[in-house]
Amino acid sequence: EPEVTQTPSHQVTQMGQEVILRCVPISNHLYFYWYRQILGQKVEFLVSFYNNEISEKSEIFDDQFSVERPDGSNFTLKIRSTKLEDSAMYFCASDRQGPRFLETQYFGPGTRLLVL
Amino acid sequence: DQQVKQNSPSLSVQEGRISILNCDYTNSMFDYFLWYKKYPAEGPTFLISISSIKDKNEDGRFTVFLNKSAKHLSLHIVPSQPGDSAVYFCAARYNAGNMLTFGGGTRLMVKP
Repeated sequence: EPEVTQTPSHQVTQMGQEVILRCVPISNHLYFYWYRQILGQKVEFLVSFYNNEISEKSEIFDDQFSVERPDGSNFTLKIRSTKLEDSAMYFCASDRQGPRFLETQYFGPGTRLLVL
Repeated sequence: DQQVKQNSPSLSVQEGRISILNCDYTNSMFDYFLWYKKYPAEGPTFLISISSIKDKNEDGRFTVFLNKSAKHLSLHIVPSQPGDSAVYFCAARYNAGNMLTFGGGTRLMVKP
């Protein structure tokens, strides 16, 4: 069964450093998402991406964050200058057709980011 | 922002019995609801969904009920198995948007 994959599974970084989290969505999916879950809190939406542009983003997704689809398979989340409060589990998700078709989003296993 | 709430942080059920997990929402624009199961250190795994035009959807041991007037949905697992022990999240989406809004989760423990 196709699945969303994410690398790395764990990332430890120093505050102020840049990190790039990588995702490979399911191959025939067209909409891509990043969510995060801070320890003990809800899963929160960050951003959605379609046709090489951001289609929706939350208040969390400020100028420190960016997303990119550098090639036909990868989808990346970059945090330019990490803060302590960016420590969380980051989940990538994808679906085939997006919101108008009541699609189900499929999630990857997550990257645990720890900012020291 | 508590648009989707799961008021029970945990639930313990005996193997073979029914598990009922509840979820309430406040935003009447939501028209698609999903349940995900999550094990520690893994991503949410899709279980079952329901569109707002329905009031019930069934898939094997899992049934989701939607009461639009009460803005309430529930997930029934019958019969419950020890492997069902996990955290269950309900999530909601509205047609005009991409994002899923998640509840806080309910930890289900199914005892043998």
